[in-house]
Amino acid sequence: DQQVKQNSPSLRVQEGRISILNCDYTNSMFDYFLWYKKYPAEGPTFLISISSIKDKNEDGRFTVFLNKSAKHLSLHIVPSQPGDSAVYFCAASVRGGALIFGKGTTLSVSS
Amino acid sequence: DGGITQSPKYLFRKEGQNVTLSCEQNLNHDAMYWYRQDPGQGLRLIYYSQIVNDFQKGDIAEGYSVSREKKESFPLTVTSAQKNPTAFYLCASSIGRADTGELFFGEGSRLTVL
Repeated sequence: DQQVKQNSPSLRVQEGRISILNCDYTNSMFDYFLWYKKYPAEGPTFLISISSIKDKNEDGRFTVFLNKSAKHLSLHIVPSQPGDSAVYFCAASVRGGALIFGKGTTLSVSS
Repeated sequence: DGGITQSPKYLFRKEGQNVTLSCEQNLNHDAMYWYRQDPGQGLRLIYYSQIVNDFQKGDIAEGYSVSREKKESFPLTVTSAQKNPTAFYLCASSIGRADTGELFFGEGSRLTVL
């Protein structure tokens, strides 16, 4: 059974608008949650993370929100840019353990 | 520059052949990982190693083998027992047990079985 779920395979957004990518998890032991961005034929690159003791972390245009009671996190990108078009993976880990990834959401930002 | 190097970038294999994918890192990281990416499947963990001479199976270890004789190196062998080996393979490293889970990835190796 999947521990990290990204239920939307794709998302299309216009340039300048907000992109919201969602992620749900089932394991209440997860300590850290991370978002990775991936372009075709390249390795994923780290985007932003949040500890389970926080409910929000912000870095420039990217903000991650964590709702532990709902076992849900989301990544907000404001404003969205065409260069943001990529596959976004949500991942989670118990401290010291391997990352568990979701299946990814393909974001397309049109100009 | 510090980073993770995977080779080869592209590899073709005939059915029944074993093939080894190389992964080297000069980040002085303790932990190393192998993931497999298939369309619509995300990244699935094959094997990981938290320390030299030790490694653990991930979710899809069957048909794969690894070794960790040196801190810098974590090669992955795709054996003939792997039923569907065509995929994009990603190697990653992290600081280790005390870290927050952030992984640094290589550029990947695409394996195609003919």
